[in-house]
Amino acid sequence: GEDVEQSLFLSVREGDSSVINCTYTDSSSTYLYWYKQEPGAGLQLLTYIFSNMDMKQDQRLTVLLNKKDKHLSLRIADTQTGDSAIYFCAENFSGGYNKLIFGAGTRLAVHP
Amino acid sequence: DAEITQSPRHKITETGRQVTLACHQTWNHNNMFWYRQDLGHGLRLIHYSYGVQDTNKGEVSDGYSVSRSNTEDLPLTLESAASSQTSVYFCASSESLAGGKETQYFGPGTRLLVL
Repeated sequence: GEDVEQSLFLSVREGDSSVINCTYTDSSSTYLYWYKQEPGAGLQLLTYIFSNMDMKQDQRLTVLLNKKDKHLSLRIADTQTGDSAIYFCAENFSGGYNKLIFGAGTRLAVHP
Repeated sequence: DAEITQSPRHKITETGRQVTLACHQTWNHNNMFWYRQDLGHGLRLIHYSYGVQDTNKGEVSDGYSVSRSNTEDLPLTLESAASSQTSVYFCASSESLAGGKETQYFGPGTRLLVL
């Protein structure tokens, strides 16, 4: 079945880069997403990448996609305390139109 | 501004009671979704709808039902609440875009405690 996996926790120092990794199983996914959840709030879309791309950059965010290995990563440059949140990787499930499959989320803690 | 709202934001109920969680969106989106969020599981899809009168079961639909009588609302009903249904519930909506490029917009969540 379809599955998306992420490590559960990452701790980084303020100003360093953060790299959050994700693996997925549905090789037919056309889009992959990163969502951010701040405490007590819903999820907000951070960025997405189309499956025929291998990299997308958006200000401090860089998304890398290795389609052969079904590996997605999110790099946050110059990590700030405001980046502390849970980050979810998601793929659109090819077996169901507009359905997203989410990973369990990676909790990013930024310390001084 | 268009938005998606959920009510109530917090709910405490007893086992066996029927509970309905409301979700309302003003984007005029065809697609609406209900998820539950539990530690270690991320978001799991409960039910979803692609339009008025359309409803579909997600991966964890047992004990839940939805109805879609208009575009804006997708209420989630727990027929007989169980302690295992203690969770945070999120509603989301999206446009119907071909090719799978979709942004799901999430509500703020409802925290439900079943005693």
